[in-house]
Amino acid sequence: GESVGLHLPTLSVQEGDNSIINCAYSNSASDYFIWYKQESGKGPQFIIDIRSNMDKRQGQRVTVLLNKTVKHLSLQIAATQPGDSAVYFCAENLGTSYDKVIFGPGTSLSVIP
Amino acid sequence: DAGITQSPRHKVTETGTPVTLRCHQTENHRYMYWYRQDPGHGLRLIHYSYGVKDTDKGEVSDGYSVSRSKTEDFLLTLESATSSQTSVYFCAIAQGKATEAFFGQGTRLTVV
Repeated sequence: GESVGLHLPTLSVQEGDNSIINCAYSNSASDYFIWYKQESGKGPQFIIDIRSNMDKRQGQRVTVLLNKTVKHLSLQIAATQPGDSAVYFCAENLGTSYDKVIFGPGTSLSVIP
Repeated sequence: DAGITQSPRHKVTETGTPVTLRCHQTENHRYMYWYRQDPGHGLRLIHYSYGVKDTDKGEVSDGYSVSRSKTEDFLLTLESATSSQTSVYFCAIAQGKATEAFFGQGTRLTVV
């Protein structure tokens, strides 16, 4: 289940189950959204992005859903694997330049073998 | 890691000393960024560059300066390190203004 830790919310899922990681963004004018994965001791790694004119975008085993009405973004990971254990965070782009990107604090995903 | 190298990877320094972190890219990307990452916070932008000798301040720029004399190198300098600058620092590069950024492996800096 999901719990709020001292610093990061955590999500524990069984290997093979689907994972859903949620993100609330702050600005209704944000035009571009990105999900990153960060493994322990490594830099963030781009997973998937979506523009505000889309509601859904699929990649390899991942799907991002965008609900502009409630300013909510979600990342779905199908058939979660141990290698998916990491911190996942969303980013919203407030303008046309990457210096306007705001990163969320992230969710820690733990996959139980 | 998209041809980004940060150095050093780890550093311990004393309060009041100057520190320079280096970001080197082999992708010829125009945009380069320095972020810091602290527990409970998302990545926060320190400074960024949109070309050689073109830099600007980010959200948390106080106490930091940058330089970009070549496309491939972006240097972050802490003029006089303080304990509040203990953090993990990430460099990122991007090809365009509104495209995804690629991150380096990070530099863990401890100021004692």
